[in-house]
Amino acid sequence: DAGVTQSPTHLIKTRGQQVTLRCSPISGHKSVSWYQQVLGQGPQFIFQYYEKEERGRGNFPDRFSARQFPNYSSELNVNALLLGDSALYLCASSPMGPTNEKLFFGSGTQLSVL
Amino acid sequence: DAKTTQPTSMDCAEGRAANLPCNHSTISGNEYVYWYRQIHSQGPQYIIHGLKNNETNEMASLIITEDRKSSTLILPHATLRDTAVYYCIVRGSGAGSYQLTFGKGTKLSVIP
Repeated sequence: DAGVTQSPTHLIKTRGQQVTLRCSPISGHKSVSWYQQVLGQGPQFIFQYYEKEERGRGNFPDRFSARQFPNYSSELNVNALLLGDSALYLCASSPMGPTNEKLFFGSGTQLSVL
Repeated sequence: DAKTTQPTSMDCAEGRAANLPCNHSTISGNEYVYWYRQIHSQGPQYIIHGLKNNETNEMASLIITEDRKSSTLILPHATLRDTAVYYCIVRGSGAGSYQLTFGKGTKLSVIP
């Protein structure tokens, strides 16, 4: 079975640009979460979506937004990119509700902002 | 969610048991202890979780002290593929407990 897939795997943008990252959850999983991981740190929670509704949001500015589609895939959008947005962006899915204990992570999208 | 404290790094000889400690002295009664690991260039991988009883699965064992203020993840026979950063996370089970709060974790190096 396919795991969580994220695209693209790598991306280079310049300051001020906008970026869209995509995530396909494991088949049958209805919950998707997004995390940001800066080099040398643990992942930091950005958003969670369950059944196409936002269920949680971390301490990130409004430049970050996300949505979940009817097929449960998800997009993370970041506007007005800053150098500090350079990070590994991880998507995770889980089979049940928002508090399900097991998250299955993808390998991430490495975003570099120049 | 309660905060956790882990050693920055540990070494373990290949084939030996790796014992990774975690302190969570402010844990509350309905909070679970989770362990994830992250191998270089991959996303975190779920290992195990528990509330108060010791737990074992095909990957590892989790030992939680009786007062629940600390726990130990045990990899019984470490291999080179177990080299990774291991994260101990405390997470509630109620509304709003949807996120995982990662610290910096313990970098485990398994040495041949």
